[in-house]
Parts: sequence; C-alpha cells; structure tokens
Amino acid sequence: GAVVSQHPSWVICKSGTSVKIECRSLDFQATTMFWYRQFPKQSLMLMATSNEGSKATYEQGVEKDKFLINHASLTLSTLTVTSAHPEDSSFYICSQKGGSGYGYTFGSGTRLTVV
Amino acid sequence: DQQVKQNSPSLSVQEGRISILNCDYTNSMFDYFLWYKKYPAEGPTFLISISSIKDKNEDGRFTVFLNKSAKHLSLHIVPSQPGDSAVYFCAATRGGSNYKLTFGKGTLLTVNP
Repeated sequence: GAVVSQHPSWVICKSGTSVKIECRSLDFQATTMFWYRQFPKQSLMLMATSNEGSKATYEQGVEKDKFLINHASLTLSTLTVTSAHPEDSSFYICSQKGGSGYGYTFGSGTRLTVV
Repeated sequence: DQQVKQNSPSLSVQEGRISILNCDYTNSMFDYFLWYKKYPAEGPTFLISISSIKDKNEDGRFTVFLNKSAKHLSLHIVPSQPGDSAVYFCAATRGGSNYKLTFGKGTLLTVNP
C-alpha cells in the first residue's frame, strides 16, 4: 500500500522561529496532500489541502501566511510554521490520497512544541 | 459546528467481549464513512469503511453498520483483544469535496485482559 514518510517526528523550537515539516510519498505520486492538526483530546482538524503545482486551499480560520504549504512535486509536500508561538504547539499530520480506505494514507505525525 | 460526533470519549471492555463504538453525523451530504485507529504520537491507521449505499461492511473482527435515516454509524469489534486498545476516530467525506475528511473527536478504547 501507499506509504507516507513524515519528518521530523518531533521538534522543539523557540518562540519566533520557523519549523518545516516534510511529507514524502514513497511509492505513490500524490497530487493532493492534506494537512491536519490535532490538539490533545481533540479531533484531527483539516488545516489545508495542497495540490501539486498550485496554491494550497486553507480551511476557514487557518492563517495562510503563518502555515506555508508547498507541494512542488508529486512526492513532496511541506508545511512551514512561521514565527511559531506556544499556541502553535500541536500534533501535525499529513495525509495523501492513495492507498487503502477510499485512498487516504497518513504520515506518522509531527509533535511540535514551541517554548 | 461539529459535523461528526463521537459522544463517548472512552470505552472499556473485557478481552473477548464485543466493543461497540458509536458515531453520529449531521451533514446529510456525507456519502462515505471511515474508521481509523490511532496510537499516541502516530498517524491514524485505516480500519474499515462503508459507502452510504450500504448498511453493513465486515472485515474480519471489524464490522461497521450504517443507519442513514438516523445519521448514525457504529464499529463493532469482536472478539476484542488487548492490542485493540487505542483511540478510534470516525471520519466522513462526500464526493466532490476534494475528498477531505471530517473527523470526530475519537473514542479511547481500552481492552482489559
């Protein structure tokens, strides 16, 4: 089945710095990548949908200038949290179309802690 | 407005018994439903899905039931095993929405030996 490799699995950064999270499709060319965020004991909330070669579509309430998404190739999508603040601390997960279950495969997630 | 609801934050069952996890939705446009299992600090893993044209789908120990009139679905796990202990998320999607999923808050299942 399709595999999505997400890195890093965890990161601690200082307030005001930027952090980049990568998701790579290892055996599938993903034209669409979804980025989710999960706060403790909450559901996965869709942040944005990225399509290869075009601008990402952000969900209501998600700041596109803060969460920069790049999907420059069919195998790589990145999420950059710019000028991170403690309230950005969360678990970020990517998901691609392709694979089992109506075509969704998830990355292993990135735990971001901003201090 | 939460379109997918899992009203039980946790469930505890004995090994070998049946686990029933429930999910309700409000958006009648949803036409495909999925269950995911998630361990801490990991991404969700797909378990089973069901299309709105069906009312039941079975895969081994896992069965999903869909009641469209009640906008309710449930996941049955039988027999439950300690390795099933995890958070289970219900998710829904609809055709034409670029396949984006709407998730419930999850139910923590604990299967006791």
